Amino acid sequence: EAQVTQNPRYLITVTGKKLTVTCSQNMNHEYMSWYRQDPGLGLRQIYYSMNVEVTDKGDVPEGYKVSRKEKRNFPLILESPSPNQTSLYFCASRPQDRDGEQYFGPGTRLTVT
Amino acid sequence: GENVEQHPSTLSVQEGDSAVIKCTYSDSASNYFPWYKQELGKRPQLIIDIRSNVGEKKDQRIAVTLNKTAKHFSLHITETQPEDSAVYFCAASRGRDDKIIFGKGTRLHILP
Repeated sequence: EAQVTQNPRYLITVTGKKLTVTCSQNMNHEYMSWYRQDPGLGLRQIYYSMNVEVTDKGDVPEGYKVSRKEKRNFPLILESPSPNQTSLYFCASRPQDRDGEQYFGPGTRLTVT
Repeated sequence: GENVEQHPSTLSVQEGDSAVIKCTYSDSASNYFPWYKQELGKRPQLIIDIRSNVGEKKDQRIAVTLNKTAKHFSLHITETQPEDSAVYFCAASRGRDDKIIFGKGTRLHILP
């Protein structure tokens, strides 16, 4: 089944404790992206990657890191999480040769206390 | 920076009536405009999109119109049904190699 998976789905952590949210897709998509969703603010793009070893900042990259060592994986790293990073995070992917439909993962709800 | 404004933030319509959601964008280089639907507790899913070389696109009860001169685009849902209740997001992008900017969303309620 073609899909985007994220882990963990739910995470409660404390300020300053490094964490990684994994994202994996099995559709051989070149383009992958991370978003955060906050009430009243919609979806905001954090980082995106057009292919292996190529990453670019989205609208709200501060406080986040990403890496793209393999085509299927695009982990989101929070080196020192803060309470303002409490949010719902979505990973998404699509083929590079089209600017069309992005396939979203199920989301990761992160709480930083 | 680039911006996408979406209105209204909340919309209630009687079942069977039409719903219209409007978006404006700031970047004149934007050429791709998707609309996503997000049901409660679920992930966003593409429902329709339009590219800048087209003024209107329809898919059954859903249509999108684009006015490049005015830099705005709209989602039209006709004969609304209970399953249309969701949050709808518009977005704008310069194309496949660029970032995408989403609007803040419209919560659509279909009243029985």
